Amino acid sequence: AQSVAQPEDQVNVAEGNPLTVKCTYSVSGNPYLFWYVQYPNRGLQFLLKYITGDNLVKGSYGFEAEFNKSQTSFHLKKPSALVSDSALYFCAVISSSYKLIFGSGTRLLVRP
Amino acid sequence: KAGVTQTPRYLIKTRGQQVTLSCSPISGHRSVSWYQQTPGQGLQFLFEYFSETQRNKGNFPGRFSGRQFSNSRSEMNVSTLELGDSALYLCASKGEEADTQYFGPGTRLTVL
Repeated sequence: AQSVAQPEDQVNVAEGNPLTVKCTYSVSGNPYLFWYVQYPNRGLQFLLKYITGDNLVKGSYGFEAEFNKSQTSFHLKKPSALVSDSALYFCAVISSSYKLIFGSGTRLLVRP
Repeated sequence: KAGVTQTPRYLIKTRGQQVTLSCSPISGHRSVSWYQQTPGQGLQFLFEYFSETQRNKGNFPGRFSGRQFSNSRSEMNVSTLELGDSALYLCASKGEEADTQYFGPGTRLTVL
């Protein structure tokens, strides 16, 4: 079965420190991978995607993600966290039936 | 360009009633997808419409239906509402031959 796993329900980090939000996937064929962010009472906001090419993908608001085919991972990273980055983050993959499958989400809390 | 818009933003209904939610995609986008977000089940795909035709469908009962109009606007209908239908319903649009979906702010449905 095709799936996305986000092993951490919550990630806590101090402002100014680097952050990593983990994601692993299981799909057949080449994966199309995405990260979205959701702020309270808002819809999902697109951050970045990996389709092909460089394994390090840069996105909005200073976020980047590293695609690792051997580990089937697509971790979201940022060199220096901001309090305003506190939100719910979702990893997603397009399945072989062209549906967007989401992980369970990881809540990021950046403390001042 | 204006983003994806959804109306209404909040809705309260009682069990057994039916409800219709509306979504206007980004101008030029012909694909509209619907998702249900709940704390227990996370983000789940409902269906996708393209050029007024349902192109893909998730695993939801027949009480959930949708349609798309010639201007690409889409509606989702839920009949015989159950308490478990309380959720945030998200609509997303994408352009032709594109892979990234852009989400609206959602409609928060509460079933009493």
